[in-house]
Formats: sequence, C-alpha cells, structure tokens
Amino acid sequence: DGGITQSPKYLFRKEGQNVTLSCEQNLNHDAMYWYRQDPGQGLRLIYYSQIVNDFQKGDIAEGYSVSREKKESFPLTVTSAQKNPTAFYLCASSGTATYEQYFGPGTRLTVT
Amino acid sequence: GQNIDQPTEMTATEGAIVQINCTYQTSGFNGLFWYQQHAGEAPTFLSYNVLDGLEEKGRFSSFLSRSKGYSYLLLKELQMKDSASYLCAVFGGYSTLTFGKGTMLLVSP
Repeated sequence: DGGITQSPKYLFRKEGQNVTLSCEQNLNHDAMYWYRQDPGQGLRLIYYSQIVNDFQKGDIAEGYSVSREKKESFPLTVTSAQKNPTAFYLCASSGTATYEQYFGPGTRLTVT
Repeated sequence: GQNIDQPTEMTATEGAIVQINCTYQTSGFNGLFWYQQHAGEAPTFLSYNVLDGLEEKGRFSSFLSRSKGYSYLLLKELQMKDSASYLCAVFGGYSTLTFGKGTMLLVSP
C-alpha cells in the first residue's frame, strides 16, 4: 500500500530539548511539506521541498529545521528556539501529475 | 498577501443540504482545494477546482468563481459521519497551498 507514514503519533518532550519528527512516503512524490495545526486554526506551512537536497521556508519556519537527503524522507526538527512547539504536525507529499497533497496521520507533540 | 475566509462553525440536520462558503484574496491563484478533516486525523482530499463552474462528485459538489474570489462546497443528504472540519485551500505559486482556518460542521440527528 502506498502512503505517508509519520511516527510517533504522540510525542512528549521537555522544554529546551530538540525533537525530530519523521515523515516517510512511498508514493514516489517529488514534493513534500510540513504543516503545523493549532486548535481552531488552519494548517500553516513550515517548510517544503520540491526535490531532493533542496527545501524552502514556509510561513512559520523560525525554530524549525529540515533535511531532504532522500526522496522518500523529509524529517522535521523542532528546536529549542521554537517558542510554542506544542501542536499537531502534519506531513504531506504531492506528485507532478496532480497538485493534490496527500497527508500523513500526523504527530501530536507536547512540550512541557 | 494571502487571505482566505470561511465561517468558523455551521450546524445542519441529517439528510439536509449545507453550503460552506470560502472567499479568498491571494497573490497567486492556480486552483482551489477542499479537504475534510475529522478531529485528530489527517485532512483528506474532496475536490479541486481550477476553472469556473461546478464540479460534482457524488454527494459533494464544489463551485468556483475566479472573478469573485469565491468558492463553495455543497454537501447533500447529510450523514452523521459528515461532522468534520472542512478546509478551503488556495493553490498558489511554488506548488504550495494556503489554507483557511476551516469550517467545523456539526450534523445532528
């Protein structure tokens, strides 16, 4: 089955620690995206990558970092510089034939 | 800049029809998406409009007017499982989507 996986579903960290969220896809999509969703809010774009070894900042990139060393993988690191890291994080990917973005199940990060 | 507006909440009765509106003002426009999102889950694709007019897909239809910066999602024969958040998203430049805040639809018996 093709799809996007994110792990873990729930993640807890202490303030001041960096944490990396994984995102893997086997859809052979070139583009991948990271979004953040807060209660009652829409999705806000953190970073995106349209090709391996290249990525661009989205609207709220401060305090986050990414890498794109493989087509299938686009991990997101939430650094200690991110002031309000507690949120629901969604990864997505899209191909070139259609612009539809497919979403992973999300990771709910809680930082205390 | 990007500005996408949707009503925050709507309520409807099972079996009824509901229309969720979306207005947008964006610097680039290459199409408009509607997604459905149940609480705590990932958004799932419902429709994509790039040309003006109505696209029908089963119980769901989506309409676009590019000159008015307006779209709506029409849900017919509502079912309890349609209770969810509905996200309007504009596909702009650089293959990115800009999402509205979503409309929470509550379907009651």
